[in-house]
Amino acid sequence: SAVISQKPSRDICQRGTSLTIQCQVDSQVTMMFWYRQQPGQSLTLIATANQGSEATYESGFVIDKFPISRPNLTFSTLTVSNMSPEDSSIYLCSVCKVNTEAFFGQGTRLTVV
Amino acid sequence: QQQVKQSPQSLIVQKGGISIINCAYENTAFDYFPWYQQFPGKGPALLIAIRPDVSEKKEGRFTISFNKSAKQFSLHIMDSQPGDSATYFCAASNVWTTDSWGKLQFGAGTQVVVTP
Repeated sequence: SAVISQKPSRDICQRGTSLTIQCQVDSQVTMMFWYRQQPGQSLTLIATANQGSEATYESGFVIDKFPISRPNLTFSTLTVSNMSPEDSSIYLCSVCKVNTEAFFGQGTRLTVV
Repeated sequence: QQQVKQSPQSLIVQKGGISIINCAYENTAFDYFPWYQQFPGKGPALLIAIRPDVSEKKEGRFTISFNKSAKQFSLHIMDSQPGDSATYFCAASNVWTTDSWGKLQFGAGTQVVVTP
């Protein structure tokens, strides 16, 4: 398994602002992902964070709205840009190594007012 | 379009009873099927997972049944306890393609309540 730390755990932000969420893993991992979980809903994959290169976004998500960085094998950030109330969700970091299961962080609960 | 369909949406079971959650998928490229348990305010935690080369996997009180021909799989929670009250998500992935390793398609989730 892996110990995943996400910061912040929660935040309340004004619309139009941006928030950067950090994901730190206690060991090197092959894959890092970012998911969104809207209130009472399932998890939807936003993007794959690629180490040293641009993230790979899923349909419906774009880099301008959700810029992602992954400078090394243990750390990634997700920025939610120009926020609106519709961005209020739980944002989750997920990691896995080759041939292992995917593990999730505790999530960042974002409320946009 | 949800690639993994999960039912029921919610479930109430008495302590000691059996909870059964069902999932179905369409994409035959899926070859890894995990179940996650999520408590309020927490991230999903891996519960149990199965590959399509076996029809059943059991870990303690949790069992996955897998029917490859029907493209269905289910989670059985035996002797359900109040501490099992949580939301359960099924998921699916294709682990043999570099582009898809670790990328999970989730079901809608099932809220399980175990009454004392």
